[in-house]
Amino acid sequence: DAMVIQNPRYQVTQFGKPVTLSCSQTLNHNVMYWYQQKSSQAPKLLFHYYDKDFNNEADTPDNFQSRRPNTSFCFLDIRSPGLGDAAMYLCATSRAEGTTDTQYFGPGTRLTVL
Amino acid sequence: GQNIDQPTEMTATEGAIVQINCTYQTSGFNGLFWYQQHAGEAPTFLSYNVLDGLEEKGRFSSFLSRSKGYSYLLLKELQMKDSASYLCAVMDSNYQLIWGAGTKLIIKP
Repeated sequence: DAMVIQNPRYQVTQFGKPVTLSCSQTLNHNVMYWYQQKSSQAPKLLFHYYDKDFNNEADTPDNFQSRRPNTSFCFLDIRSPGLGDAAMYLCATSRAEGTTDTQYFGPGTRLTVL
Repeated sequence: GQNIDQPTEMTATEGAIVQINCTYQTSGFNGLFWYQQHAGEAPTFLSYNVLDGLEEKGRFSSFLSRSKGYSYLLLKELQMKDSASYLCAVMDSNYQLIWGAGTKLIIKP
């Protein structure tokens, strides 16, 4: 089945220790998104890519970086995680940018910062 | 600013009907989405409305009134597995999704 896959599902890291979260998709969608979601809050868009064009949301901290080496894969790098970065990180895809296409989500990675 | 409002939490009884409301103020409108999110899991797509009126999909229906900036999600014949958060999201003029914080629905036997 076509899907969005995130690894790992649960990630524990130390305060200040870099961590990378990964996302892959078999939907062949052009757009990929990274969201941060804290408990009982709305998902917050961090980045999105249209193909390889990178779009950084204005209020995304510099501590967060992203890479999309090809259509199928996208990575979220947190350079120096703080306690406030503990959250669920959601990867999503949609077929095309600038359209009303539905976003499809992966299962998420829950990040714990010790 | 852009704003999506929905109740924080609702409680309903198994087998009953519940309506979850969503009001919005956004820069432009390119449709409204409803997603279901079980605890600790990713959101899953439920419905999309761009024209006024009611869209029915099995036990779930979604209604939109663009003039009122208002939508609701109607869940019928509630089952215990419907216990989840329901997120309302509006696509603005830049085709960006503006998300509500979600309504946590608790189903009691």
